[in-house]
Amino acid sequence: QLQLQESGPGLVKPSETLSLTCTVSGDSISSSNYYWGWIRQPPGKGLEWIGSIYYSGSSYYNPSLKSRVTISVDTSKTQFSLKLSSVTATDTAVYYCARHNYYSSNCLDYWGQGTRVTVSS
Amino acid sequence: DIQMTQSPSSLSASVGDRVTITCRASQSVTTYLNWYQQKPGKAPKFLVYSASSLQSGVPSRFSGSGSGTDFTLTISSLQPEDFATYYCQQSYSTPYTFGQGTKLEIK
Repeated sequence: QLQLQESGPGLVKPSETLSLTCTVSGDSISSSNYYWGWIRQPPGKGLEWIGSIYYSGSSYYNPSLKSRVTISVDTSKTQFSLKLSSVTATDTAVYYCARHNYYSSNCLDYWGQGTRVTVSS
Repeated sequence: DIQMTQSPSSLSASVGDRVTITCRASQSVTTYLNWYQQKPGKAPKFLVYSASSLQSGVPSRFSGSGSGTDFTLTISSLQPEDFATYYCQQSYSTPYTFGQGTKLEIK
């Protein structure tokens, strides 16, 4: 059974860089059928797609965050990571990693449990 | 960006009711439309892909339909475990976007 687990600091200071890692277990991260994404949800609000990456390293970002986001993949560790720079209070959210299924209309078919990140001094 | 608009934003219903949630895209997404269910404090759960295909294990009381810009998620007979927030999402083009959510509450 595929599992995704987010990890990283729960508190980040304003203007610093938020760094999270998603560890994938139970299946290969290197399959061409899937790619890997980050989604966030501010408190009491809806879902926002941040960006996604293929195992090859090709990545796609939300233009609203593109200047501050980097997503990378480490297939040897079956992990992919998110870096969001110059954070402000508006970046406070639960951050989810998830798998896109290319053959099921790119749906997000498996999700991590989410990790809460607060931006505060 | 493709804007996704759900209606209603909230809905009160009773166990056994039939409910329909609507999702409208600002431009055609063909059938690249997915539905998710989220309960408080939990990650979203994937329900429907390609507008009308039910994920394995999802009860058959859930159904999706539509294409182009107009889509619906129907629950034929509400069960207590169905009270949650539902999101549609287009995966036709990046940035992938979600609807604002429909909160389904017990009447």
